[in-house]
Amino acid sequence: SQQGEEDPQALSIQEGENATMNCSYKTSINNLQWYRQNSGRGLVHLILIRSNEREKHSGRLRVTLDTSKKSSSLLITASRAADTASYFCATDAAQAGTALIFGKGTTLSVSS
Amino acid sequence: DAGVIQSPRHEVTEMGQEVTLRCKPISGHDYLFWYRQTMMRGLELLIYFNNNVPIDDSGMPEDRFSAKMPNASFSTLKIQPSEPRDSAVYFCASRWTANEKLFFGSGTQLSVL
Repeated sequence: SQQGEEDPQALSIQEGENATMNCSYKTSINNLQWYRQNSGRGLVHLILIRSNEREKHSGRLRVTLDTSKKSSSLLITASRAADTASYFCATDAAQAGTALIFGKGTTLSVSS
Repeated sequence: DAGVIQSPRHEVTEMGQEVTLRCKPISGHDYLFWYRQTMMRGLELLIYFNNNVPIDDSGMPEDRFSAKMPNASFSTLKIQPSEPRDSAVYFCASRWTANEKLFFGSGTQLSVL
């Protein structure tokens, strides 16, 4: 079953611009994670935000979480061509030990 | 650390054949997950193990799919008989209890002709 849904499905920007991707989910969560996938590769963890946090930063990444709206956003500032990839949000159910459920992802294309 | 290791990297087979995908999780990780990725359905959870015990296999499509984890360092996903609709990229991922972050392998690209 799909828990997280990203929006938009695809995003094209120029280098230096900011990229914002959104994620909505359906049930209560312990945490929400964002992953990145380069073409032909496995997913790589970017950042985790817990249900009691509202905002988190890591380098050029900024993640927000609104549990009342069941939504999250990932902002990549000053994007680079190397940021071109697919980005996925993943959520767990609010109980220990359950697996991550992934959305279908946002494909980001950054042109130089 | 070598990360999560999957083999083979690519598999091309004919309909009706048995396919076995293999995964070696990161040493010390006690959770192992199998996911399948397609354009149409995205990344789907198939099954996951905790301490080598299957916890939730509700995502396994049908009886043609089976997964085992005989020890902490090895898991297999078997499809018998394979069908063209099984064509996808199959990912293995692992983590340990104290950290919710998943580590993914490079995946197995399966093509069933």
